[in-house]
Amino acid sequence: GAVVSQHPSWVICKSGTSVKIECRSLDFQATTMFWYRQFPKQSLMLMATSNEGSKATYEQGVEKDKFLINHASLTLSTLTVTSAHPEDSSFYICSARDPRGDTQYFGPGTRLTVL
Amino acid sequence: AQKITQTQPGMFVQEKEAVTLDCTYDTSDPSYGLFWYKQPSSGEMIFLIYQGSYDQQNATEGRYSLNFQKARKSANLVISASQLGDSAMYFCAMRALNQAGTALIFGKGTTLSVSS
Repeated sequence: GAVVSQHPSWVICKSGTSVKIECRSLDFQATTMFWYRQFPKQSLMLMATSNEGSKATYEQGVEKDKFLINHASLTLSTLTVTSAHPEDSSFYICSARDPRGDTQYFGPGTRLTVL
Repeated sequence: AQKITQTQPGMFVQEKEAVTLDCTYDTSDPSYGLFWYKQPSSGEMIFLIYQGSYDQQNATEGRYSLNFQKARKSANLVISASQLGDSAMYFCAMRALNQAGTALIFGKGTTLSVSS
């Protein structure tokens, strides 16, 4: 079946540094990928929609300059958390829509801890 | 605007029993899809079952079935013969089918605990 990978699976960084998270669709070309954020015991909140070859569409309240999204190819989207602070610590999950059907496949997630 | 409501923060069931997880939705789109995902403690989102708004029959996938009642806007997940490995968080989600670029919108989730 379709597989979406994320790297790294977990990362610990110091406050003020930037962290890049990669999301790859392995079995299909994804023109659209999505980035979600999840706090413990809570739901997934959509952060942005990443479109290949164009600018990402951010949800209301999500800082574009803080969460940089790049979708440079049909199989790769990256999320860069710039100047990370402890409040950015969270579980970040990407998903990719398989254009051959209606299912969105999720990556395994990245757990970010900012010290 | 679309909205998914899961009113059960937690559910408890014994092994081999059936359990129903509730989900109601609201949308103005005539064509939409409803999804259920399982999220174990590892964090990965596991796709369980899908129901299209125009599907005549309720979806089934092994021990999972979706009780789709369109008029009531409900899409409850039924897990038959619960197993210890079913303990996880379960999310109901929806998206409009006529908009290719739209994301899934999730409910708040229900934590299922299966005991022996």
